[in-house]
Amino acid sequence: GESVGLHLPTLSVQEGDNSIINCAYSNSASDYFIWYKQESGKGPQFIIDIRSNMDKRQGQRVTVLLNKTVKHLSLQIAATQPGDSAVYFCAERYSGYSTLTFGKGTMLLVSP
Amino acid sequence: SQTIHQWPATLVQPVGSPLSLECTVEGTSNPNLYWYRQAAGRGLQLLFYSVGIGQISSEVPQNLSASRPQDRQFILSSKKLLLSDSGFYLCAWSGQSNEKLFFGSGTQLSVL
Repeated sequence: GESVGLHLPTLSVQEGDNSIINCAYSNSASDYFIWYKQESGKGPQFIIDIRSNMDKRQGQRVTVLLNKTVKHLSLQIAATQPGDSAVYFCAERYSGYSTLTFGKGTMLLVSP
Repeated sequence: SQTIHQWPATLVQPVGSPLSLECTVEGTSNPNLYWYRQAAGRGLQLLFYSVGIGQISSEVPQNLSASRPQDRQFILSSKKLLLSDSGFYLCAWSGQSNEKLFFGSGTQLSVL
C-alpha cells in the first residue's frame, strides 16, 4: 500500500526558533492525519490531529497544516524549547476502518 | 480518565525462550488494541490489532502471537524468541474509529 514519508530525518534548531517538520503522503484517499512526539525510551505522545476537510489546526504552540493539493502535512512548533527535542512521527489513516500508517520519523534537536 | 499499563519496562531473554508481554487499559470499554514494534531509530511497525475479545488481526507474519482474553487486556506472546525479535514493543488503544492512538510506555526487549 501507499505510505507516509518524511523529508528530513534530523532537524536542528536554536531555542526560541520556530520549527517546521514536514511529511509527504501518497494516498489521496487518506481522511485523517496525526502527529506524535516520542522521547527516548518512551511511548509516542499525541500532539495534534487534523481531518482531511480542514487545512489548518492549531494547538498550544503547535500548528498542523494540510495541503491536499500536493499531499503534504507539516507540524509547526512555535518558540521551540529544549524540551521539544524528540522524534516526531506523522501518521495517516486511509479512508474507512484502516489502521494508522506511520512515517519513519524526524528527530528534532533543540540547542539552548 | 483512561490509562494504559504495559509491563515489564525492560526485558532480557535468551534465544529460544518464551515471551509474554501484557497490556491493560482502564477507563474505557471496547477499545481497539494494538501491538507495535519499533527497531532502534526506526518507525512503528504494526504487529497485531484487535477490535474485540478474541478478535486478532495479524499484520506481519512472524513467530509472535497475540491474544485478547478480556475486553481491556492484550497479550503479546512467543513460544521461542529469535534474535530478530529484539526491539521496543508498544501497546496502544484507540476508540472504534481507529483515529487517535494512546500508547503505553513500552517494553525494551533484548534477545541474546
